[in-house]
Amino acid sequence: DTGVSQDPRHKITKRGQNVTFRCDPISEHNRLYWYRQTLGQGPEFLTYFQNEAQLEKSRLLSDRFSAERPKGSFSTLEIQRTEQGDSAMYLCASSRGAGETQYFGPGTRLLVL
Amino acid sequence: QQQVKQSPQSLIVQKGGISIINCAYENTAFDYFPWYQQFPGKGPALLIAIRPDVSEKKEGRFTISFNKSAKQFSLHIMDSQPGDSATYFCAASTSPGAGNMLTFGGGTRLMVKP
Repeated sequence: DTGVSQDPRHKITKRGQNVTFRCDPISEHNRLYWYRQTLGQGPEFLTYFQNEAQLEKSRLLSDRFSAERPKGSFSTLEIQRTEQGDSAMYLCASSRGAGETQYFGPGTRLLVL
Repeated sequence: QQQVKQSPQSLIVQKGGISIINCAYENTAFDYFPWYQQFPGKGPALLIAIRPDVSEKKEGRFTISFNKSAKQFSLHIMDSQPGDSATYFCAASTSPGAGNMLTFGGGTRLMVKP
């Protein structure tokens, strides 16, 4: 399977703890996007990378959130001092380039207790 | 501010029937309109997409109708099957230079009864 992969698939943490998620895009896709999806809602854009450069961040991405794509391949999304409101599905998508189809991974479901 | 509004929130259709889901958008800079299908526990998967230079696009049993003046677009699923039971999201994005991030509607949960 050469699709977008995400790890872990599920994460349960206690409020105040830090968590980190990983996304491996489709090979040779230079754009990588992070979205957040809460129950019963559509995904909401968080941030995106063109290769290793983070080009845009949503206002949803508070200063407790940080994303990296150090070598222009995989990406990590870290949430510091988690809050119960951070509970959601975190989706990663990749595309070959600007204007190309975005392919989504299976997501990481986060539950903050 | 919800830039893409989707209706209905849920839909029940008999096998063989037509499922129709509607979306309306506000941002006239949107120029790419995909539909995604999502099964429980899975990420969204692209179903079909349209650009505003055409009014209709058909792929198999799935058709997008697009009305630029009304800022509305819809998904029609012909001969609906139980395997089509999923949540459907419309989305929109602006030109490649603006990042292409997708703005999603709220979703429609479709159930096709056998």
